[in-house]
Amino acid sequence: SAVISQKPSRDICQRGTSLTIQCQVDSQVTMMFWYRQQPGQSLTLIATANQGSEATYESGFVIDKFPISRPNLTFSTLTVSNLSPEDSSIYLCSVYRGNTQYFGPGTRLTVL
Amino acid sequence: AQSVSQHNHHVILSEAASLELGCNYSYGGTVNLFWYVQYPGQHLQLLLKYFSGDPLVKGIKGFEAEFIKSKFSFNLRKPSVQWSDTAEYFCAVNPRANFGNEKLTFGTGTRLTIIP
Repeated sequence: SAVISQKPSRDICQRGTSLTIQCQVDSQVTMMFWYRQQPGQSLTLIATANQGSEATYESGFVIDKFPISRPNLTFSTLTVSNLSPEDSSIYLCSVYRGNTQYFGPGTRLTVL
Repeated sequence: AQSVSQHNHHVILSEAASLELGCNYSYGGTVNLFWYVQYPGQHLQLLLKYFSGDPLVKGIKGFEAEFIKSKFSFNLRKPSVQWSDTAEYFCAVNPRANFGNEKLTFGTGTRLTIIP
């Protein structure tokens, strides 16, 4: 299994500001994933983060809006930039280990 | 690209009723299949998974799912539900060709409400 923690667990932000979400895993992993779960919808993959290289973004997501850092094999951050109400979602970090993907508790972001 | 359909958006059952949640996927190749559950206020947890072998897989808490390749389906079942099964259930797939980049494609989820 994998133990994943995220900070913050929730936040309320003003339009135009940014929020950085941290994800910490209990042991080293090659790939970390960032997902978004919009209200009433399913999970959508934002990007895949490998240590030592730039993140790979899915269609519809760009680095300027969702910059990601992956400084080591147990940690990653996702920044949601220039916030708008449409960014109100739950953001989840996940890792792949033992043929299974494990998810963090999520960060609930509300943009006013 | 692959896609996943969950046709039941909200299912309401009484305790002890039998459950079947539908999941169909669209992908021409071999896939790995998953069911995840999200209990109220908790994070996503893996219920069960299918990679190969016996198409009937058993998971935690009495859940099982059957992979029917000809129907591109992976329906979740439980013979007798409990109030504690109230949760959101997500089906997900990962093409086996993606080995090394195991990103999941999720269905839209099914909200299950169990009435005591």
